[in-house]
Amino acid sequence: AIQMTQSPSSLSASVGDTVSITCRASQDIANDLGWYQQKPGKAPKLLIYAASTLQSGVPSRFSGSGSGTDFTLTISSLLPEDFATYSCLQNYNYPLTFGGGTKVEIK
Amino acid sequence: QEQLVESGGGVVQPGRSLRLSCEASGFTFSSYGLHWVRQAPGKGLEWVAVISDDGNNKLLVDSVKGRFTIFRDKSKNTLYLQMNRLRHEDTAVYYCAREGNLCITETCYYMDVWGKGTTVTVSS
Repeated sequence: AIQMTQSPSSLSASVGDTVSITCRASQDIANDLGWYQQKPGKAPKLLIYAASTLQSGVPSRFSGSGSGTDFTLTISSLLPEDFATYSCLQNYNYPLTFGGGTKVEIK
Repeated sequence: QEQLVESGGGVVQPGRSLRLSCEASGFTFSSYGLHWVRQAPGKGLEWVAVISDDGNNKLLVDSVKGRFTIFRDKSKNTLYLQMNRLRHEDTAVYYCAREGNLCITETCYYMDVWGKGTTVTVSS
């Protein structure tokens, strides 16, 4: 199974900051990567698919980049509603595997 | 609106069985593959199983093979997860998710619609 190593596991930031989260795949997964946001007690929400394509309705302050094994989710100008846990998901082959998650907390 | 609603969770003893359901509405059920994803308390997301739009192709994560079965009933617009021989480590919130083909120029499938989840607790 492809392992997805996500970092950091948590970070503290202030409203207005720009933060970046990375995922590294244990093998080349082309651009078959998605990013999800999850708030406590809620279902995950798809933000980015195909590594860099913004899902419909997702604000443009979210962006994704990368291909192959290294991927980044960037959130520009953090808003209060962005404090949540973010997870990557490789869609390259089965079993699908998620990164361990990054909790973005308010500083 | 497009919606998935899970049900069937509960508290069950190790070794017993449970069947989860996921009722779909607001979209053409038979046009989409569907997944189950779980999240143990305080842990990350774990993909569990997928079934194709026609129900003919199924895959499960190794840790549940031989114990869990995924199936669907198009007459009821419902996805199921039959869980047998449950273990403590199966304790989790179980989500169902739709597999949407989101790309325009090529096929790319991502879980784009999720239910709110149902909680399974395996405890003696």
